[in-house]
Amino acid sequence: SAVISQKPSRDICQRGTSLTIQCQVDSQVTMMFWYRQQPGQSLTLIATANQGSEATYESGFVIDKFPISRPNLTFSTLTVSNMSPEDSSIYLCSVADGVEQFFGPGTRLTVL
Amino acid sequence: KNQVEQSPQSLIILEGKNCTLQCNYTVSPFSNLRWYKQDTGRGPVSLTIMTFSENTKSNGRYTATLDADTKQSSLHITASQLSDSASYICVVSPFTGGGNKLTFGTGTQLKVEL
Repeated sequence: SAVISQKPSRDICQRGTSLTIQCQVDSQVTMMFWYRQQPGQSLTLIATANQGSEATYESGFVIDKFPISRPNLTFSTLTVSNMSPEDSSIYLCSVADGVEQFFGPGTRLTVL
Repeated sequence: KNQVEQSPQSLIILEGKNCTLQCNYTVSPFSNLRWYKQDTGRGPVSLTIMTFSENTKSNGRYTATLDADTKQSSLHITASQLSDSASYICVVSPFTGGGNKLTFGTGTQLKVEL
């Protein structure tokens, strides 16, 4: 199974600032994803992080707001830009390995 | 629209008791159904994965059932423990790997008390 770590685990940020979340996987994986989980809600896919090319965003999410990098097969970053209180959420990195899908511990973001 | 609905939304049981969580889905096509456990402040962890041809699958005290005809699944927890307190999420995939096509339920919040 893939072991995923995320940094930071939590943060409190001011409105208008940006935060970059890091995701590190202990093995090379092809498919890597970023999810958002708002309080009391199910997980929502933000984008698929593609190695060596631009991320593929889901409806309602744009690159200017959530730029993603994927420099290699074990690492990715998600930036939450120009934050507002509505961005307060848990952000989760996830990887697919065959049938299984694994999730990181999440980054709990609070925007004041 | 693909949907996964779970019930109950929340549940409180006494330690040692059994409970059953429900999941109804309208995802099509259908390849597999997964149950995840998410502890507070942690990411979801897979409990079971069932394809359309499987009726039941167990993982320790967790037993999942699937009726692909009625598009219903259940997760039965036997002899509950305090550590079972968590959110249980039903996830349906239209393809073998799932990837970016997973549909998540909103979860059932289970609390096990002494």
